[in-house]
Amino acid sequence: GAVVSQHPSRVICKSGTSVKIECRSLDFQATTMFWYRQFPKQSLMLMATSNEGSKATYEQGVEKDKFLINHASLTLSTLTVTSAHPEDSSFYICSARVPGRGYTFGSGTRLTVV
Amino acid sequence: DAKTTQPPSMDCAEGRAANLPCNHSTISGNEYVYWYRQIHSQGPQYIIHGLKNNETNEMASLIITEDRKSSTLILPHATLRDTAVYYCIVRELLQGAQKLVFGQGTRLTINP
Repeated sequence: GAVVSQHPSRVICKSGTSVKIECRSLDFQATTMFWYRQFPKQSLMLMATSNEGSKATYEQGVEKDKFLINHASLTLSTLTVTSAHPEDSSFYICSARVPGRGYTFGSGTRLTVV
Repeated sequence: DAKTTQPPSMDCAEGRAANLPCNHSTISGNEYVYWYRQIHSQGPQYIIHGLKNNETNEMASLIITEDRKSSTLILPHATLRDTAVYYCIVRELLQGAQKLVFGQGTRLTINP
């Protein structure tokens, strides 16, 4: 079946550094990917919609200069958390729509900023 | 904003049927009902979706009321591995990708 591979699964970084998270669609082309953030015991919150070859669309309240999204190919989207701070510690999840089948999700990235 | 209402938590005994309700009283005629679940620290997993007819697959059954204002997800023989948060989402099935908006879901605990 259609799979979205997300890496890394876990990352710990120092405050002030940047972290890149990758999502790859393995056996289908994803012109659009979605990035979510999830805090403990809360639901998934959509951060942005990533469009291949164009700028991402950010949800209200999400800083586009802090959460850089690149979708340079039909199979890869990346989210870079710049100048990370402890409050950015969260579970980040990507998703892509599989043509004719609905949405599939990556396995998530647990980011801890120390 | 999410357009669905679900109970925050439910318990079910292992081996019994788990029935998870969802209210979507403002659903429009071209919106589908989708169910996803999220096991702890994993990405959400698709379960089933439907428009107005009842649906069944290898994972679950979906019962949608005739007025489409509510639905029930049925896990016929729940196992411990079905412990997860279950999300009911309504959205249109259009060409192209539309964002999925998640509500708070139901935390289902299967007890041995």
